[in-house]
Amino acid sequence: ETGVTQTPRHLVMGMTNKKSLKCEQHLGHNAMYWYKQSAKKPLELMFVYNFKEQTENNSVPSRFSPECPNSSHLFLHLHTLQPEDSALYLCASSQGPRTGSSYEQYFGPGTRLTVT
Amino acid sequence: AQSVTQLGSHVSVSEGALVLLRCNYSSSVPPYLFWYVQYPNQGLQLLLKYTSAATLVKGINGFEAEFKKSETSFHLTKPSAHMSDAAEYFCAVTGRTGANNLFFGTGTRLTVIP
Repeated sequence: ETGVTQTPRHLVMGMTNKKSLKCEQHLGHNAMYWYKQSAKKPLELMFVYNFKEQTENNSVPSRFSPECPNSSHLFLHLHTLQPEDSALYLCASSQGPRTGSSYEQYFGPGTRLTVT
Repeated sequence: AQSVTQLGSHVSVSEGALVLLRCNYSSSVPPYLFWYVQYPNQGLQLLLKYTSAATLVKGINGFEAEFKKSETSFHLTKPSAHMSDAAEYFCAVTGRTGANNLFFGTGTRLTVIP
């Protein structure tokens, strides 16, 4: 595998379900991100992890719970979601801060989530 | 603080015509600037980046962008549109402060008319 991978690619879940999204990067990066992309809305940054530490949480509801066990893996745990949470969830990775890089982010293909 | 404005949420061009997608940025520190492309049901793919070297940056698929500090702009161009260029394009900025968050514009959907 190369680049950034995400599984599953598609997920349908009921409002009472618990599911997890997985992201893995094969680029040797040490920063990882979750974004939410809804129709007709700007890309929303949800969480940022630098060197496995969460450095940003953009007022995301607690029904979304991130986990970053190491610099290569990022999870988004989902529980009791609402229909308005239906969206494309994108994972990205980059070099971490203060590394002298230009910080371009590399994105995975996304997970299309539908909450019924 | 950094921000990006993309003028025109939708742009239509004829196949073979010039593509011009506009991006203006605001940054309190010298910026790094990026253009990404997104095809339907896919993630964002990096097209090109400006990191303070040459002000005219060439990217993949024949795209290029010019950094103009006096105009705080980073417009994306391609001399001749191809049907396969139909996609959504995002401009993004970050500051050279050692922080790694990107700030994205709202995107421009490009339609190519045969």
